[in-house]
Amino acid sequence: GAGVSQSPSNKVTEKGKDVELRCDPISGHTALYWYRQSLGQGLEFLIYFQGNSAPDKSGLPSDRFSAERTGGSVSTLTIQRTQQEDSAVYLCASSSGGSAHEQFFGPGTRLTVL
Amino acid sequence: GQNIDQPTEMTATEGAIVQINCTYQTSGFNGLFWYQQHAGEAPTFLSYNVLDGLEEKGRFSSFLSRSKGYSYLLLKELQMKDSASYLCAFTRNQAGTALIFGKGTTLSVSS
Repeated sequence: GAGVSQSPSNKVTEKGKDVELRCDPISGHTALYWYRQSLGQGLEFLIYFQGNSAPDKSGLPSDRFSAERTGGSVSTLTIQRTQQEDSAVYLCASSSGGSAHEQFFGPGTRLTVL
Repeated sequence: GQNIDQPTEMTATEGAIVQINCTYQTSGFNGLFWYQQHAGEAPTFLSYNVLDGLEEKGRFSSFLSRSKGYSYLLLKELQMKDSASYLCAFTRNQAGTALIFGKGTTLSVSS
């Protein structure tokens, strides 16, 4: 079946604009994660959704960042009033949850804030 | 707090064996993961250790010592295609939660 998909693959925006990044997880996966990878840095956890539970937002760097997961499937990460330091690759991953451990990553969205 | 360390870069030649070490500190620990990431691509899962000891999977093996906060990834019979970043990560408290990643080790394999 299809893997995790993300759109857009690339996004260039101006400082101060809002952006929305989309993630389509693997069908049936109950857990969905957002990470970001900045140049020279490791993957940084942002937010985690598991089924109908309240999301773990502990990794969000500021209140300009938010995410939703509608109907337990598609997720949107929104960054308001983007700053240059938000430039990074934003990766989404999903897993079947529970005791499963392998997370399947999407190809990422490369965000450039000018 | 939590911390995870691995070497930034390593080099090796085709056919050789290389060991990539990872040390971690965390107040809660569930399991240790290794992912491979080729340049410009998404990370792909390599291994998962939850108990102490060695897990072998083909040319790749991963080791964990929970008491020492230490893991390594062993790659045998290196091939050029193994040139990639190798990411060490752990989950806290329970399975299925967020991965906490190190900065990755870039491995360059030469002929």
